[in-house]
Amino acid sequence: GNSVTQMEGPVTLSEEAFLTINCTYTATGYPSLFWYVQYPGEGLQLLLKATKADDKGSNKGFEATYRKETTSFHLEKGSVQVSDSAVYFCALQGSNYKLTFGKGTLLTVNP
Amino acid sequence: DAGVIQSPRHEVTEMGQEVTLRCKPISGHDYLFWYRQTMMRGLELLIYFNNNVPIDDSGMPEDRFSAKMPNASFSTLKIQPSEPRDSAVYFCASSLASGGADTQYFGPGTRLTVL
Repeated sequence: GNSVTQMEGPVTLSEEAFLTINCTYTATGYPSLFWYVQYPGEGLQLLLKATKADDKGSNKGFEATYRKETTSFHLEKGSVQVSDSAVYFCALQGSNYKLTFGKGTLLTVNP
Repeated sequence: DAGVIQSPRHEVTEMGQEVTLRCKPISGHDYLFWYRQTMMRGLELLIYFNNNVPIDDSGMPEDRFSAKMPNASFSTLKIQPSEPRDSAVYFCASSLASGGADTQYFGPGTRLTVL
């Protein structure tokens, strides 16, 4: 079956630091890949997505590239802000339309 | 649009009581999903509907859980009887199928505490 593995948190960074959150997946076929973000007390919201190999999703300074050869979709941001503090979820959507989520990574950015 | 609406936002109940969680999806969306989030198990898909029809309920934990979608603008998740281990945040999400990578829009969640 499909599965998503993302780096365990928590991750604590200083403002303006570089962020990487690793995500790898196992799936049959050609899944679509997503990053969702959850701010405290809220539901998840889409951050970015990619639908095929070598696609790069980007939003709000965050980027992730769909790497089929390494089955990865790592999230990066060059300079984090305090407002980026949240839980980040990597997810894949297979042919059955269901989203499979990773366990989430808590990011805390200190001023 | 108001987004996905869930009610109540918080529910505290005693073991053995019936609990009903409600969801109004975004107008025009044809998929609706119910998730449960806990610290131990993360985010789990319980059931999803397409055009009001349940497609996959393999994530529903046991017979105490049931979900309905009587029309395109309303769904319920019922737990009867409730148990302390059902304490979690329950999310509803909706999406519009476009043949590609469809974004799911999540509601704010219902935090359920079963004493």
